[in-house]
Amino acid sequence: GEDVEQSLFLSVREGDSSVINCTYTDSSSTYLYWYKQEPGAGLQLLTYIFSNMDMKQDQRLTVLLNKKDKHLSLRIADTQTGDSAIYFCAVSTSGTYKYIFGTGTRLKVLA
Amino acid sequence: DTAVSQTPKYLVTQMGNDKSIKCEQNLGHDTMYWYKQDSKKFLKIMFSYNNKELIINETVPNRFSPKSPDKAHLNLHINSLELGDSAVYFCASSLQVSGANVLTFGAGSRLTVL
Repeated sequence: GEDVEQSLFLSVREGDSSVINCTYTDSSSTYLYWYKQEPGAGLQLLTYIFSNMDMKQDQRLTVLLNKKDKHLSLRIADTQTGDSAIYFCAVSTSGTYKYIFGTGTRLKVLA
Repeated sequence: DTAVSQTPKYLVTQMGNDKSIKCEQNLGHDTMYWYKQDSKKFLKIMFSYNNKELIINETVPNRFSPKSPDKAHLNLHINSLELGDSAVYFCASSLQVSGANVLTFGAGSRLTVL
């Protein structure tokens, strides 16, 4: 079956950049997403990218997509303590209801 | 005004009991979902409804039964609760935005089975 994998933990210092990685197996994935989950809350959409794009930038967030390697990354510039959360990547395929979440990466920002 | 609201937020109950979790969305979305998040934070789709029609029904014990009385509501009923059912259950609804399927999540319902 389809799989979406992420490393479980990432720790960075405040002010540094964070890079969260995601790999997926389904080559028919059309849209790829990043969600953020803060403690005790539901997931919130941060950004998404269409599969024919290589990069998308949105303020401090940069999404990079390597479709050949099926690799997605989220870079957070100038990471703040408020960025500490679990980050999930997800993939969907147009024309289907298929929507698969990754295993989640817990980002810890050290002051 | 909460977009996707779930009740109750916390539920503690004994093994063998039957319980329900309710979900309502006021976003006008056509599609609603139930996800289960375990203690390791893995998120697993359980069910999805589109305009009251069941479209995703993953391998979930038939003790779990979703009900969608209208497209704004998706409830989850669980019979004969087991210890392994302890988890956080998230309701979500979605909207297609230029082909992308953007999900809006509720705050979650934490179920503890003793």
